[in-house]
This record gives sequence, C-alpha cells and structure tokens, in this order.
Amino acid sequence: QLVLTQSPSASASLGASVKLTCSLTSTYSKYAIAWHQQKPQKGPRYLMKIDSDGSHAKGDGVSDRFSGSSSGAERYLIISSLQSGDEADYYCQTWGTDIRVFGGGTKLTVL
Amino acid sequence: EVQLVESGGGLVQPGRSLRLSCIGSGFTFSNYAINWVRQAPGKGLEWVAFVRSNSYGATTEYAASVIGRFIISRDDSKTIAYLQMNSLKTEDTAVYYCTRDPYDSSGAFDSWGRGTLVAVSS
Repeated sequence: QLVLTQSPSASASLGASVKLTCSLTSTYSKYAIAWHQQKPQKGPRYLMKIDSDGSHAKGDGVSDRFSGSSSGAERYLIISSLQSGDEADYYCQTWGTDIRVFGGGTKLTVL
Repeated sequence: EVQLVESGGGLVQPGRSLRLSCIGSGFTFSNYAINWVRQAPGKGLEWVAFVRSNSYGATTEYAASVIGRFIISRDDSKTIAYLQMNSLKTEDTAVYYCTRDPYDSSGAFDSWGRGTLVAVSS
C-alpha cells in the first residue's frame, strides 16, 4: 500500500536550517514525491517535486532557501535561514497511476 | 498566470447533494488531470478524486471514502471541472480544493485553488 509517513511536528530556531522527512513504504522507494506548504488559514502552495535520485524541480517563486533531497525511501525538504514566515504545515504527496496520496503533514514551529 | 477557482460550497443537510465547480485559466486546461482535495477542520489534506485528460478518455478515480457518492467530471470547452457530491455526510464537511497535475509525466499538484467550504449539518 502506498503510504507516506511524516513526523507530526518539528521546530528550529530563527536563522537555522531544518530538514523535514517524508518516508515512502519500502515497496515504493523509487517513487517521486511533491512538497506543499500551508500557512495558517491559507490554502496549500506547491513547493517542489523530488525524484528518487534527489533531483528536484521547484514551483514558481519558491525561495532558494528551500531545497530537496532523497535517500532510499526517504524524501527531504530542507529549509535554510529559517524565517518566521516559514512557520506552516508541510505536506508530502505522491501518486500512482490511479491514486494520489498525502502524508499526514508536519507542523513546523520557528523558535 | 495559472489560476484555479472553486465555487459552489455552502451549508447543506445530510443526505442532500451539492455540486462544486473549478474554473481553470492561464494554462491549457485540456492537457491536465484535475483533482479535488479536501481538508476537514483541523485535519490534514485528503485526496478525493481525479479526472484524467481526454487523451486518457477523461477516466476517473476516487478515494474509498467517496466511491459511489461523488462524481468528478470535466468540460474542457469551458475549462471547468465539477465535483458532484451526493448523499452527503457530516464527515464530508471540509474545505474543498481543486488542483491540477500533468498526469503523463508526474502526479505532483503544481497549482492549487483557494478552496470552497462545504458544511454538512442539520
């Protein structure tokens, strides 16, 4: 079964970096994923797609502070030079030919 | 500029029906699969349904929670996608978002609408 697992919460200090993790079930370890950001009381925003080789394609206007990488069945979103405006929920998303799947989301707190 | 704009939400009683619309602009609507995603109050994102492009016969897929009750469709001449929601339940209460994905090359939702709120209550 195609499932994405995310930690419910993460925190990091202003100006620091943080790495959020999205784990695919091992059978689907070669699947690409997408990351989406949702700020409080707002709709989601597409950030980037990450392939299994770590290559990533960002959405329009996404800051250079956001990057992605991969290792095995894990996909990462790295945010550098954290700003207060980065405080949000972050969702990973993947897909098969007949399904779309979200992870449970990670709530990022900027300290 | 790519835009997806949802409409049609509102307050509806359990067991009744509602139809949501999603108008796309700023891109070649017919080339994309269109999805509906919902978010219940205080909860995460849940994929609901998608309709493939006409290149794939405009065929559809649904989440298990809505199979047999919801119907997704598209009218490329109007660049609109619909979500017909029947036999609504209180647990269908959510903000409903329209998204697109390329389907052929990727299923990543690369653009989102702002959402429309559906409240199911007696």
